[in-house]
Amino acid sequence: AQKVTQAQTEISVVEKEDVTLDCVYETRDTTYYLFWYKQPPSGELVFLIRRNSFDEQNEISGRYSWNFQKSTSSFNFTITASQVVDSAVYFCALSGINDYKLSFGAGTTVTVRA
Amino acid sequence: DTGVSQNPRHKITKRGQNVTFRCDPISEHNRLYWYRQTLGQGPEFLTYFQNEAQLEKSRLLSDRFSAERPKGSFSTLEIQRTEQGDSAMYLCASSEAASGDNEQFFGPGTRLTVL
Repeated sequence: AQKVTQAQTEISVVEKEDVTLDCVYETRDTTYYLFWYKQPPSGELVFLIRRNSFDEQNEISGRYSWNFQKSTSSFNFTITASQVVDSAVYFCALSGINDYKLSFGAGTTVTVRA
Repeated sequence: DTGVSQNPRHKITKRGQNVTFRCDPISEHNRLYWYRQTLGQGPEFLTYFQNEAQLEKSRLLSDRFSAERPKGSFSTLEIQRTEQGDSAMYLCASSEAASGDNEQFFGPGTRLTVL
């Protein structure tokens, strides 16, 4: 069974502050994918990033960065210099390499105030 | 390509009625998924197809739910004898098996309200 936990329910920040979202996962698979999705008020889930379990290199893509630590089963996501348009619900998700369904966390609502 | 589309966007029905939703995936994608999302929760997997074959169904998918993808292109999700607990957002996603990365692209969803 796969499980994703996002302990933070809501985060509120002022524009230009950094926001870090926590994600902890459980899986019996030895290889798997981790994802972050964004769901703005319009409702459509938007893919942000994907990480393979066999690649622990952390990366930065524009204002997004992520910290994947297999030893602690965590996959945290950071938005640098937040903007009002970043206000949304952010979901962490997990799938096996050969098990294609996504298991989502409950989501973290991020509100960025001007 | 305009992405994954779903119709209708909203559906209000009375308890006991049947409803059917449609999903058109991204044209070159051979995998299609259905998820259900209730308020304040993350999406939950219902079922998925590779081409026209339905390869997995969640235990959430009761006998009242049926999904089809007859020609490996669009898919329909039917709920028979709807119950108030079926009220949710029904999301469709698609992905390309050959990409090997399971990156799923989601449609805007169909919001179902059962009165």
